[in-house]
Amino acid sequence: GNSVTQMEGPVTLSEEAFLTINCTYTATGYPSLFWYVQYPGEGLQLLLKATKADDKGSNKGFEATYRKETTSFHLEKGSVQVSDSAVYFCALKNSGAGSYQLTFGKGTKLSVIP
Amino acid sequence: DAGVIQSPRHEVTEMGQEVTLRCKPISGHNSLFWYRQTMMRGLELLIYFNNNVPIDDSGMPEDRFSAKMPNASFSTLKIQPSEPRDSAVYFCASSSEGEYEQYFGPGTRLTVT
Repeated sequence: GNSVTQMEGPVTLSEEAFLTINCTYTATGYPSLFWYVQYPGEGLQLLLKATKADDKGSNKGFEATYRKETTSFHLEKGSVQVSDSAVYFCALKNSGAGSYQLTFGKGTKLSVIP
Repeated sequence: DAGVIQSPRHEVTEMGQEVTLRCKPISGHNSLFWYRQTMMRGLELLIYFNNNVPIDDSGMPEDRFSAKMPNASFSTLKIQPSEPRDSAVYFCASSSEGEYEQYFGPGTRLTVT
């Protein structure tokens, strides 16, 4: 079955530091990969996605590259801000008609301090 | 668009009481999902509806949980009777067929004492 493993948190960084949150996955076929972000007291929002190998998803300064050879989709940002403090979830969905289920990692809490 | 609407935002109830959580998906979306989020288990898919029909309810914990979608703009998740271990944040999400993104509501934080 599908599974997503992401680094344990919490992660605490100073403003303007470099961020990496590791994510690896196990899936059959060629899944689509996602990063969702959950700000305090809110639901999850899609941050970025990649639908095939070597694709790079990017949004709001965050990037992640779909690496099929290492089954990874690590999230990076060059300079974090206090407003980036949130919980980040890596997720996958199988491709193909009828595929609907997102498999989520456990989430990584990021705190950015001024 | 107002996004996915959930009510109530917070619910505190006593063990044994019935709890009903409500969800209004984004207009035009034909897929609806109910999730439960806890510290221990993370995000779990409880049930998935497509065109108002339950397609996958394998994540529903037990018979105390039931979900309905009487029309395209409304769904409920009911717990009867509630137990303290049901305490969690319950999210509703919706999407369009073929779309990658699921749009999440703000969640209902349920506390069962």
